[in-house]
Amino acid sequence: NAGVTQTPKFQVLKTGQSMTLQCAQDMNHEYMSWYRQDPGMGLRLIHYSVGAGITDQGEVPNGYNVSRSTTEDFPLRLLSAAPSQTSVYFCASSRGQINQPQHFGDGTRLSIL
Amino acid sequence: RKEVEQDPGPFNVPEGATVAFNCTYSNSASQSFFWYRQDCRKEPKLLMSVYSSGNEDGRFTAQLNRASQYISLLIRDSKLSDSATYLCVVNIGGSQGNLIFGKGTKLSVKP
Repeated sequence: NAGVTQTPKFQVLKTGQSMTLQCAQDMNHEYMSWYRQDPGMGLRLIHYSVGAGITDQGEVPNGYNVSRSTTEDFPLRLLSAAPSQTSVYFCASSRGQINQPQHFGDGTRLSIL
Repeated sequence: RKEVEQDPGPFNVPEGATVAFNCTYSNSASQSFFWYRQDCRKEPKLLMSVYSSGNEDGRFTAQLNRASQYISLLIRDSKLSDSATYLCVVNIGGSQGNLIFGKGTKLSVKP
């Protein structure tokens, strides 16, 4: 049982480049989300999805796009990378009810030069 | 925005010590509460949910005080392996999109 799988684990981009961070879960969870974690700050929600075909913005959505075409996959796209997007990105999934815990992937460390 | 506040620490304690972390939240409508553990350069992992009546899991005890809007985590008989950052997490609304993470409290257990 792989849980939540994120790829790549590390990435270096140049300013202005675009890329997609992949996230897949095999637990049939309805809810998936993307967070970023910066030094001295708590995890901040970028986008989330409550099911296939449904996405919504979190606290810090600017510069990112998401889609949810299947229950399993929830990719995060950086449209035009900026140095301010240097961060550690975590994907998470859960069963959807508010009292259910989040299961996190092991993160993508992204550096924008 | 300071919806969930934690003492950042670090808390440096000897093995065997008892250590307590507190977390305050600002939204009185908050509905669910959790403690997560995050090891250095790793993903957060659920340590325990926090229930209104309080709950215990081995050496760990979590308490919720809705009137004062704080939750606590007590770790008894600290082990070296307890060294990590402990995240307080609160769901302030009716969906998973309303999870708010505290910045975490760093614990270092020394031999």
